[in-house]
Amino acid sequence: IAGITQAPTSQILAAGRRMTLRCTQDMRHNAMYWYRQDLGLGLRLIHYSNTAGTTGKGEVPDGYSVSRANTDDFPLTLASAVPSQTSVYFCASSEFRASGRNNEQFFGPGTRLTVL
Amino acid sequence: AQKITQTQPGMFVQEKEAVTLDCTYDTSDQSYGLFWYKQPSSGEMIFLIYQGSYDEQNATEGRYSLNFQKARKSANLVISASQLGDSAMYFCAMREGRAQKLVFGQGTRLTINP
Repeated sequence: IAGITQAPTSQILAAGRRMTLRCTQDMRHNAMYWYRQDLGLGLRLIHYSNTAGTTGKGEVPDGYSVSRANTDDFPLTLASAVPSQTSVYFCASSEFRASGRNNEQFFGPGTRLTVL
Repeated sequence: AQKITQTQPGMFVQEKEAVTLDCTYDTSDQSYGLFWYKQPSSGEMIFLIYQGSYDEQNATEGRYSLNFQKARKSANLVISASQLGDSAMYFCAMREGRAQKLVFGQGTRLTINP
């Protein structure tokens, strides 16, 4: 079944540890995104990539890094986790169209991360 | 300034009634897109409906319609004949210009009572 997979499903992490959240899509979408969801704040964009080999910063990039070595994978790394990074993390992808119309974003199931 | 505002943190509606979820947006771009997503308690994000800024007619998808009032910068979601399964969080989002990024509102938690 086509879609987006994320791993792990959930994780409890000690502060200061390094963590990589994995995201893989099989829809051959050009664009991929990482969001965090916190209660009362909706989803906020962390980083994005419009095509393999390029990345950009979103609304809340500090403390996170990404890479886009190929079309399918878009890992998110927390170099040194802090408790404020406790959140639910969603990966998404969309088809990058020149007209920019109706390119809905497809979301993965999310990763629940707790930093203690 | 908040780009997307959803003023209703929670709503309670009787089953089979119609419900309107409010969304106002702020942009200076002429070209933009508005999206609604549903997030049930299981957590996944489900795309519901899209409205482009140049679309002259309001978007409809089954029981969902979008009441697009461009001059007022509002894009309210209307759910007709609500069902128990409509209970969920609903997010309004906007894409500006040629950028692919979405900006989300804080969401509205809709509860359908039997």
